[in-house]
Amino acid sequence: DVKVTQSSRYLVKRTGEKVFLECVQDMDHENMFWYRQDPGLGLRLIYFSYDVKMKEKGDIPEGYSVSREKKERFSLILESASTNQTSMYLCASTRGLGTDTQYFGPGTRLTVL
Amino acid sequence: QKEVEQNSGPLSVPEGAIASLNCTYSDRGSQSFFWYRQYSGKSPELIMFIYSNGDKEDGRFTAQLNKASQYVSLLIRDSQPSDSATYLCAILTGGTSYGKLTFGQGTILTVHP
Repeated sequence: DVKVTQSSRYLVKRTGEKVFLECVQDMDHENMFWYRQDPGLGLRLIYFSYDVKMKEKGDIPEGYSVSREKKERFSLILESASTNQTSMYLCASTRGLGTDTQYFGPGTRLTVL
Repeated sequence: QKEVEQNSGPLSVPEGAIASLNCTYSDRGSQSFFWYRQYSGKSPELIMFIYSNGDKEDGRFTAQLNKASQYVSLLIRDSQPSDSATYLCAILTGGTSYGKLTFGQGTILTVHP
């Protein structure tokens, strides 16, 4: 079974703090994704990576950066957390073939005070 | 127009009925279509995917794809209270090999006893 893990289920941070969200997958997938999910807005893509050290902006990259130093690990960084970044953050991975699904981690619920 | 639109919910059906969830998309180059189920507080999990016109059945679930009309639907037969969840339509658009999906906003389904 594919396993995607995220470093924290719940996180509370203060405005202006630097926040790191970690995601690890164990299936040697090339592609990894970071989404945020907010009520009524669905899943919105923040960044994705298709190879080590490679990254592409998604639909809402502002205020975020990412790092992929190893194939299995994809980190999301909030350089200076703000209250409007309070959300559920979901990581996913896939091989990227036409019919290959994305597998999701359990999610991190981040609250920025 | 949003790239992927799902029928507005919430949708409420009695136990044993057929639940019908619909999704329309704007990109004619879309290749593969996925239905995810997401229970409250959990991450999305794949129910099924479809990439050819017509119907695809898996147990109580049937996915229907009509590329000419640009819609995909999910039918749930003999609905059970355990089917109560948010259902997400996701589409793999053409021109990418990264497995990048575009999600609809989700439809909340409630199956009442």
